[in-house]
Amino acid sequence: RKEVEQDPGPFNVPEGATVAFNCTYSNSASQSFFWYRQDCRKEPKLLMSVYSSGNEDGRFTAQLNRASQYISLLIRDSKLSDSATYLCVVDTGRRALTFGSGTRLQVQP
Amino acid sequence: NAGVTQTPKFQVLKTGQSMTLQCAQDMNHEYMSWYRQDPGMGLRLIHYSVGAGITDQGEVPNGYNVSRSTTEDFPLRLLSAAPSQTSVYFCASEGGFGQETQYFGPGTRLLVL
Repeated sequence: RKEVEQDPGPFNVPEGATVAFNCTYSNSASQSFFWYRQDCRKEPKLLMSVYSSGNEDGRFTAQLNRASQYISLLIRDSKLSDSATYLCVVDTGRRALTFGSGTRLQVQP
Repeated sequence: NAGVTQTPKFQVLKTGQSMTLQCAQDMNHEYMSWYRQDPGMGLRLIHYSVGAGITDQGEVPNGYNVSRSTTEDFPLRLLSAAPSQTSVYFCASEGGFGQETQYFGPGTRLLVL
């Protein structure tokens, strides 16, 4: 079983739609959680950290469920520029990250 | 600040050749790491370092060596390249406790024939 699992997609949605991604992790000792964004053939960049209380950054909302060991990302009012691969990332405290294989989002006009 | 820089951007090697992928950061970050990314696999950790003089193995260390003689630099050495090492390699750095954002370099695309 992979340490971090994501639905690879692709998720094809129209502009303005709301889309949600989920991610599950296997290590219950995981301490920190993140969503990274990766554009085609580019390096990953931090989108947002995920906190137990849930957090929001503009159109993006991230939530963490420690009991069920899953993380979610909600994108509201999708823009064409949101098209990318979204990586679920977990830190078990070793100061190095475990990445999911990513969920591809394509926002269509 | 240049952030995290990597050289070269592209490299073609023949099986058995050796080479060093360079990584440097100018943010005075203690933590640095190397990942490889293969299609459908996500990023996998090769080696990481929590400070100068300290390195440790990640998930897929075989065939790679690292050293950390300075805070700024963290080179990755391929000892004897194999076609299975064809991949995109990313270097990353992190400021440490309270600054957990990892900053990635632009990557090195390596093809081993």
